[in-house]
Amino acid sequence: KAGVTQTPRYLIKTRGQQVTLSCSPISGHRSVSWYQQTPGQGLQFLFEYFSETQRNKGNFPGRFSGRQFSNSRSEMNVSTLELGDSALYLCASSLASGGTGELFFGEGSRLTVL
Amino acid sequence: EDKVVQSPLSLVVHEGDTVTLNCSYEVTNFRSLLWYKQEKKAPTFLFMLTSSGIEKKSGRLSSILDKKELFSILNITATQTGDSAIYLCAAGGISNFGNEKLTFGTGTRLTIIP
Repeated sequence: KAGVTQTPRYLIKTRGQQVTLSCSPISGHRSVSWYQQTPGQGLQFLFEYFSETQRNKGNFPGRFSGRQFSNSRSEMNVSTLELGDSALYLCASSLASGGTGELFFGEGSRLTVL
Repeated sequence: EDKVVQSPLSLVVHEGDTVTLNCSYEVTNFRSLLWYKQEKKAPTFLFMLTSSGIEKKSGRLSSILDKKELFSILNITATQTGDSAIYLCAAGGISNFGNEKLTFGTGTRLTIIP
């Protein structure tokens, strides 16, 4: 069974640009959550989608957005990039919505903003 | 605001030692406490705890939850170099949306010296 796949794995952008990251969950999983990981802050929750609906949202500015497609694949977009957006962006899938249960993580997309 | 605090932030021990990692939490409508191991990129699931006082074991790893003191520990006995990783603790509760969500701590970086 294939795991959670994130693309691209690495990318470099400059301030002011925008970026789109993609996440394909494990087959059959309908929930996709996104996290930002930085050395000082740990994993910060961005948002969760379940059956194409945003179920939860973290405390991030509106520059961070996401969506989920009918095949459960999800994308997140960050517009007007800032230096502080440099981070590892992790996607996690689960069977049910919520996330008080086990999450299956992808290997992440490492974003560097110059 | 929900909060998870892990200690120590980092730990360096020799192979064969026993280590105890700590996790305290303040989460609205607590549901579960999870431990993950992150070696390179993708965190992998270790344990989920929902009941106080019941130890969960997997080989040399064990964990227990104290819902009265809002605390969990992860023990690793007879450590090996392969145990070197970041250990993440996450607490699941009910979000402002009325849905379940996980709040992660910043992690404990464990380094095992051969």
